[in-house]
Amino acid sequence: DIQMTQSPSSLSASVGDRVTITCRASQGIRNYLAWYQQKPGKVPKFLIYAASTLQSGVPSRFSGSGSGTDFTLTISSLQPEDVATYYCQKYDSDPLTFGGGTKVEIK
Amino acid sequence: QVQLVQSGAEVKKAGASVKVSCKASGYSFTSYGISWVRQAPGQGLEWMGWINTYNRNTNSAQRLQGRVTMITDTATSTAYMELRSLRSDDTAVYYCARHISAGPYYFDYWGQGTLVTVSS
Repeated sequence: DIQMTQSPSSLSASVGDRVTITCRASQGIRNYLAWYQQKPGKVPKFLIYAASTLQSGVPSRFSGSGSGTDFTLTISSLQPEDVATYYCQKYDSDPLTFGGGTKVEIK
Repeated sequence: QVQLVQSGAEVKKAGASVKVSCKASGYSFTSYGISWVRQAPGQGLEWMGWINTYNRNTNSAQRLQGRVTMITDTATSTAYMELRSLRSDDTAVYYCARHISAGPYYFDYWGQGTLVTVSS
């Protein structure tokens, strides 16, 4: 099975900083990658699909890129409401594996 | 509007089984797959498996095969997940999530989660 590895596992940044989260697949998954945001105590929320397409209503400070095995989620200007854990998920084929998550905090 | 409403919290003894329901509304139930995802306390998301609500085919994570069953009742637009031979490390919040179409995809709507606590 293809493994999904996220880095870092956690980060702390200041409001307004640019934040980048990496997701690496152990084999190529083309662009079949989604990103989710889970705020503390809440249900995960779908942010991005096809590696780079923002779901409707997601703030434009979020962006995704990548293809094959290496993907990134970028928050161009970190806001207090972005404090959350972010997960990538492959959906090229079963199993629909998640990455381990990246916890984003405000410094 | 699309809603997935799950059954309430459960407390089970080790070795027992649990069955969680997920009632869908606001869309055509058999046009979208349903996955089950769990999250142990303080841990990440773990995909458990999914069911094609049209033909009822299922696929589950290898580590859970043999212990998990997923079914649907199209008459009530409800999906069910049963996990058997419960262990303490099955303690988690269990979510159902709707795929964006019938096949294996990403998830656009999630249930509110069901806490399953396994005690020894």
